[in-house]
Amino acid sequence: DAMVIQNPRYQVTQFGKPVTLSCSQTLNHNVMYWYQQKSSQAPKLLFHYYDKDFNNEADTPDNFQSRRPNTSFCFLDIRSPGLGDAAMYLCATSETSDRNEQFFGPGTRLTVL
Amino acid sequence: GENVEQHPSTLSVQEGDSAVIKCTYSDSASNYFPWYKQELGKRPQLIIDIRSNVGEKKDQRIAVTLNKTAKHFSLHITETQPEDSAVYFCAASFGNQFYFGTGTSLTVIP
Repeated sequence: DAMVIQNPRYQVTQFGKPVTLSCSQTLNHNVMYWYQQKSSQAPKLLFHYYDKDFNNEADTPDNFQSRRPNTSFCFLDIRSPGLGDAAMYLCATSETSDRNEQFFGPGTRLTVL
Repeated sequence: GENVEQHPSTLSVQEGDSAVIKCTYSDSASNYFPWYKQELGKRPQLIIDIRSNVGEKKDQRIAVTLNKTAKHFSLHITETQPEDSAVYFCAASFGNQFYFGTGTSLTVIP
């Protein structure tokens, strides 16, 4: 009954080596979000998609990009990971802007060596 | 943009006592206020939420109150149990914009 799925659960990459994190959902929700959560901190919204419309937070570094090829899938691309990008990356979905209760995936923990 | 402040950052209570966590927000356009419980290494789990057209909502031992005029909302947990120990986050939202508070680490002492 998994509703928001993230793969992989753990990802190790090298400094500067591009990495892609994956999120999929079975809820058919219009909105998909990517959050970065560092240890002992709150989740920080990086960007979200409403359908195919991409919305970037003003302070999200250019190093982070996203793709949403269809309703079910959304990808987070980190072009040149730095040590400071090591974190838990959480994907979430919500049905619409009005029905905006969020459903979170289990997260991908990224380690940068 | 929205600024959400959350207090206290840590809270310890005896089992059976009540716990209260408070949040304030700055943007009067925010109209949805969820509360999440996050256990170590796990995803945030929505435990209760409230919309701006409601002043109070209760679900068993958990309640949330909202004061739109003062721009603050609070989480109340009664009859706390050890399994309530976790980090709790409040958030304020308008549409698809979500802003989280800094979190409260709750410890319930048996």
